[in-house]
Amino acid sequence: NAGVMQNPRHLVRRRGQEARLRCSPMKGHSHVYWYRQLPEEGLKFMVYLQKENIIDESGMPKERFSAEFPKEGPSILRIQQVVRGDSAAYFCASSERQGFGNEQFFGPGTRLTVL
Amino acid sequence: AQSVTQPDIHITVSEGASLELRCNYSYGATPYLFWYVQSPGQGLQLLLKYFSGDTLVQGIKGFEAEFKRSQSSFNLRKPSVHWSDAAEYFCAVAQGQKVTFGIGTKLQVIP
Repeated sequence: NAGVMQNPRHLVRRRGQEARLRCSPMKGHSHVYWYRQLPEEGLKFMVYLQKENIIDESGMPKERFSAEFPKEGPSILRIQQVVRGDSAAYFCASSERQGFGNEQFFGPGTRLTVL
Repeated sequence: AQSVTQPDIHITVSEGASLELRCNYSYGATPYLFWYVQSPGQGLQLLLKYFSGDTLVQGIKGFEAEFKRSQSSFNLRKPSVHWSDAAEYFCAVAQGQKVTFGIGTKLQVIP
């Protein structure tokens, strides 16, 4: 059973370009979470999705950021018109069920560098 | 709002020595607490978690943590550190599906 897959592992973009980060949850997991880790900081929650639904996006910046988890295919975190401050590691996690205590399994992350 | 404080950003210990990483949380209700480890360039791996019951929880890789409600703490311990334990350790608290992480403690292990 493969773990959470994220691609690309490293992504370089110039200011103003778009970044698309992909996350394939573990087999059988229908809950996906995105976190951002800025340099020298802990992970910050961004968004929680189930298939075709955004459940909690309270950690998402109001502009330029969006996320989806379609019925088929991976979850996508999209950042439009990237700026240098978007440079960070973006981690995806998945869980089998909702509720307290359901372990979130983390992917290896995508490290975004904005030039 | 919940918060997690890890007061030690960097810790250096000798191989074979004991280890304690501190974590304090702020949360109104009964907390759900976690410790994760992150090796360089990798994602997070769950070491252990506390929901209820015995306040001393055992985790993987020989780690344990003790929940102390009176001190709002959930410190991570290991009696004898191995060089492979060098990594960054994150304490976290859960509220619903949202997990709040501390800033992390980087552990260096010296021979």
